[in-house]
Amino acid sequence: DVKVTQSSRYLVKRTGEKVFLECVQDMDHENMFWYRQDPGLGLRLIYFSYDVKMKEKGDIPEGYSVSREKKERFSLILESASTNQTSMYLCASSLGSSLFTEAFFGQGTRLTVV
Amino acid sequence: AQKITQTQPGMFVQEKEAVTLDCTYDTSDPSYGLFWYKQPSSGEMIFLIYQGSYDQQNATEGRYSLNFQKARKSANLVISASQLGDSAMYFCAMREGRGDYKLSFGAGTTVTVRA
Repeated sequence: DVKVTQSSRYLVKRTGEKVFLECVQDMDHENMFWYRQDPGLGLRLIYFSYDVKMKEKGDIPEGYSVSREKKERFSLILESASTNQTSMYLCASSLGSSLFTEAFFGQGTRLTVV
Repeated sequence: AQKITQTQPGMFVQEKEAVTLDCTYDTSDPSYGLFWYKQPSSGEMIFLIYQGSYDQQNATEGRYSLNFQKARKSANLVISASQLGDSAMYFCAMREGRGDYKLSFGAGTTVTVRA
């Protein structure tokens, strides 16, 4: 089974802290994604990566950065956390570039910034 | 512009009845794929069904079927014979064929199945 693992299920951080959300997948997928999920807004893409050291901005990249030094690991970084970044964060991975390539998701990290 | 629109924030359905979840999409790309995911209260995202833009037939997967109307740009999910375990949030998503790998999601519909 494909497994996408996020390092934390719940996180509480203070305003201004630097926050790292880690995601690891074990199926050698090229593509990895970070989404945030908010009620009424669905999932919004923050950043994605289609190869090691490659990254592309999604729809809402402001206030975030990412790192992909190894194929299996994709990190989301909040340089200076703010209360409006309180949200559920979902990592996903997928194989290749065909239209039908199912995305597999991690269990999510619920981040609260106080 | 919103690429995926789900206009039903929440729905109630009686156990054993069918329910239709609406999804409309917006793209100028002739090649695209449409996905439905289920998210139970536990939070995991479960892939349900896929429809390609060139597929001639509507996709089906067990109790899930997709009512694909290409001209209207709609891809409604039909869940037949609803079960209590179907209570969850359902998301429609699209990947366009221009090769940027992104999967764009709608706002979701919460389904509550009543006994």
